[in-house]
Amino acid sequence: EVQLVQSGAEVKKPGESLKISCKGSGYSFTSYWIGWVRQMPGKGLEWMGIIYPGDSDTRYSPSFQGQVTISADKSISTAYLQWSSLKASDTAMYYCARVLGPTVTLNWFDPWGQGTLVTVSS
Amino acid sequence: QSVLTQPPSVSGAPGQRVTISCTGSSSNIGAGYDVHWYQQLPGTAPKLLIYGNSNRPSGVPDRFSGSKSGTSASLAITGLQAEDEADYYCQSYDSSLSGSGVVFGGGTKLTVL
Repeated sequence: EVQLVQSGAEVKKPGESLKISCKGSGYSFTSYWIGWVRQMPGKGLEWMGIIYPGDSDTRYSPSFQGQVTISADKSISTAYLQWSSLKASDTAMYYCARVLGPTVTLNWFDPWGQGTLVTVSS
Repeated sequence: QSVLTQPPSVSGAPGQRVTISCTGSSSNIGAGYDVHWYQQLPGTAPKLLIYGNSNRPSGVPDRFSGSKSGTSASLAITGLQAEDEADYYCQSYDSSLSGSGVVFGGGTKLTVL
């Protein structure tokens, strides 16, 4: 069974750093892109970026470029999303998902991780 | 303001048919990029419902169907059931001067009356 398991909920203060994880299993982790999606409380889905664990090629949404860093460690089949200085506005649920499709422009997401809730509050 | 526009809410009685629209532009759906649909049940992660405009993944009931025409796409649900009450999102790709990447609709909340 293809599965993505994310790290647990986090509560942080503004200005702190954070790295959350997404571990893949049941498929060749290095052969598929992994994407990250933000969902703010009561809001819709926002694409943040994708990474190809095979060679760490990374693409960012213009909205998130410079705000977060996406990385991967293929030796442990894990992708990461990190912040160097959190803001209250980073409070959201963050999902990882495997990218499927013939090309980057025709891709969709399946399956999704269970989500990691990040709360940033002083 | 999402790049893809969906109605905030739709509703229907059990057994009825409902449709959810997803309107884009010449830089996304109208440019020929595929549309995909996701279902998000309350308190859970999104789940792929339709990919490549009209294809259902294994396990998705044939009550769900997708279509695309011009700059819009639609998700149809027939034989509405109480378990279909969820948020639905469309997704495509956008290529514009301000940047390229995956785009989602704002989501539609389906209420089963």
